[in-house]
This record gives sequence, structure tokens and C-alpha cells, in this order.
Amino acid sequence: SYVLTQPPSVSVAPGQTARITCGGNNIGSESVHWYQQRPGQAPVLVIYEDIDRPSGIPERFSGSHSGNTATLTISRVESGDEADYYCQVWGGGHVVFGGGTKLIVL
Amino acid sequence: QVQLVESGGTLVKPGGSLRLSCAASGFTFSDYYMSWIRQSPGKGLEWLAYIGRSDSAVLYADSLKGRFTISRDNSKNTLFLQMNSLRVEDTATYYCARDKYQGVIAFGGVHSHWGQGTLVTVSS
Repeated sequence: SYVLTQPPSVSVAPGQTARITCGGNNIGSESVHWYQQRPGQAPVLVIYEDIDRPSGIPERFSGSHSGNTATLTISRVESGDEADYYCQVWGGGHVVFGGGTKLIVL
Repeated sequence: QVQLVESGGTLVKPGGSLRLSCAASGFTFSDYYMSWIRQSPGKGLEWLAYIGRSDSAVLYADSLKGRFTISRDNSKNTLFLQMNSLRVEDTATYYCARDKYQGVIAFGGVHSHWGQGTLVTVSS
């Protein structure tokens, strides 16, 4: 099954752009989904099928996928964006989550 | 609106059993694949199992080694997770989640809605 690798943390100042990567062997053919988990809360889907945004998710959240790396980009970062972010794929008979990235808003 | 409410989490001794429930509302429950996902304290997310629109399609994470069973009662809009031979390492918050896609034959793999979770503590 896949192993998805995320950086443990990403730090960004308010108003700047945060980029969180998700790498994995052979995920080029799979769709990647992203979840935001604020402290003490359940995860929330923020990007699915690499680039699609659920209703209610701000346009500041976007996704991309090139080769074996997917990227979640958060533009004009706000303090409320501080959370853990997880990537996830479904493929090869397995659902796999990345280890999560803590977004720190300075 | 979509609501998923888990229950059944409690303190249980190693080797014990527990049944978790997830009550669904706000959507046609029988139209969606459902999953259980857990999160150990301070750790990441771990997918455990999914079940198709009826009981015919189920898939489990390899790590469970047959100890857990997912099921559903569409007449009661409820998802279940039967957990046997519980271990200390099963201590976690357990979430139920709904797949994004309605009425599909295959699992979509997108967890669009999550419950608030129920805490299971395995300790002597």
C-alpha cells in the first residue's frame, strides 16, 4: 500500500501563502484528498480529487498534483487556519492517510 | 443537514469487547458508503474499515487482523463497529465518516462528513 509523507510542520505569517506537500510512491495515478483538523475537533474535508473544493470551503484553499507529489495551498493565511492537515488516498485496496502537517500561523 | 453522532465509547479492559454506533441523519443513509476512522491520542488518522450501501461490500485495514467488524442497519440509519480482543493500542477517538458520492457502486474514498468522535480507552 501507499506511504504518504508530509512535513511535520509548516510555519507562515498571516497574509502569506502556505504550501503543504504530500508525497508518495506511485500516487501519480491516484486522487488526493485533504482534511483540516482544528484542535479538539473532527476533521473537515477541504480539497478532494486533487483540486476540487467542497461547498463552504474558502477559495483561499486550493490543491494541485504533479507526479508523486500533491500540494495543498492556502493563500492569505489567517489565524483560524492554524490546524493539522492530512492528505489521503484510496487506491490499491487501501485507504491511506499521511502523517499530518501542523500549520503554524506566526 | 448531515449529522453523524457516534456513541458507545468507554473504558474497557484489555481483551474486552465493545460495540460502537453511529447514528446518521439529514441524508439517505442507505445511499452511501460509510467508514470508521480512528485517531490515537496525539497521533494521526487511521482508516479502519468501510461498508457498502448494503452489507455486501466491506473492506478492513490489514492491521485489524479480523478483530473488528463493521456493519449497518439501514432501517435504523445506524452504522456499527464491533471491536473484540481489544488492546491498549486501540485507545483512540473513533470517528464514523460518510463517503462523498451518493448511489455509487464502488467506494469513492472521499470522507465528506465526519461525526464528532467517541473515545475508547483500553486500560486495566
